[in-house]
Amino acid sequence: AQTVTQSQPEMSVQEAETVTLSCTYDSSESDYYLFWYKQPPSRQMILVIRQEAYKQQNATENRFSVNFQKAAKSFSLKISDSQLGDAAMYFCAYRSDSSSGSARQLTFGSGTQLTVLP
Amino acid sequence: ETGVTQTPRHLVMGMTNKKSLKCEQHLGHNAMYWYKQSAKKPLELMFVYNFKEQTENNSVPSRFSPECPNSSHLFLHLHTLQPEDSALYLCASSPSGGLNTGELFFGEGSRLTVL
Repeated sequence: AQTVTQSQPEMSVQEAETVTLSCTYDSSESDYYLFWYKQPPSRQMILVIRQEAYKQQNATENRFSVNFQKAAKSFSLKISDSQLGDAAMYFCAYRSDSSSGSARQLTFGSGTQLTVLP
Repeated sequence: ETGVTQTPRHLVMGMTNKKSLKCEQHLGHNAMYWYKQSAKKPLELMFVYNFKEQTENNSVPSRFSPECPNSSHLFLHLHTLQPEDSALYLCASSPSGGLNTGELFFGEGSRLTVL
């Protein structure tokens, strides 16, 4: 079974600065997807960014970018120009691209609580 | 309307009570999910429904009973719960099959406290 590890339970960043959240995963698959989800306080969890394992280019979405190191099984999230609204719990998630239905479910990490300091 | 709506947002119940959590999605998706979120732990997948049929039961105790009457609605019936079942229960939906890019659309969750 796949596992996803987020080794930073809490992180903080000064407003307008850059912060990187770490994620590692354990998988023997060759085709899979990786995700970062954001869960603001008392609000819905939303997708921040997605990376397909077969793509060498790191995904970017405005101020959010990833550093995907396939050989190292590492998938970190970089948030540039941090804003107060970025404060949230961030979850890393993995999904196999296997044809097996159960294997295609998302496996989540335990989350990193990000605080943005004004 | 928000895409995925969960009610109630907060629920307090005794161990002998019977209650239900409700989830409704207006996104036209055919797959729906229940997750359990406990503090400092990864989200735990509980159940998956695809086109109203249960396709995944992740070894969930029988005191949790899901129901999916149609692709837009999902229930989680609760009975004889334990204090360790206190958690945030998240409902999610997604397209099925080839339309599924892996992204889940979540509700705001139902915060359950078992006394």
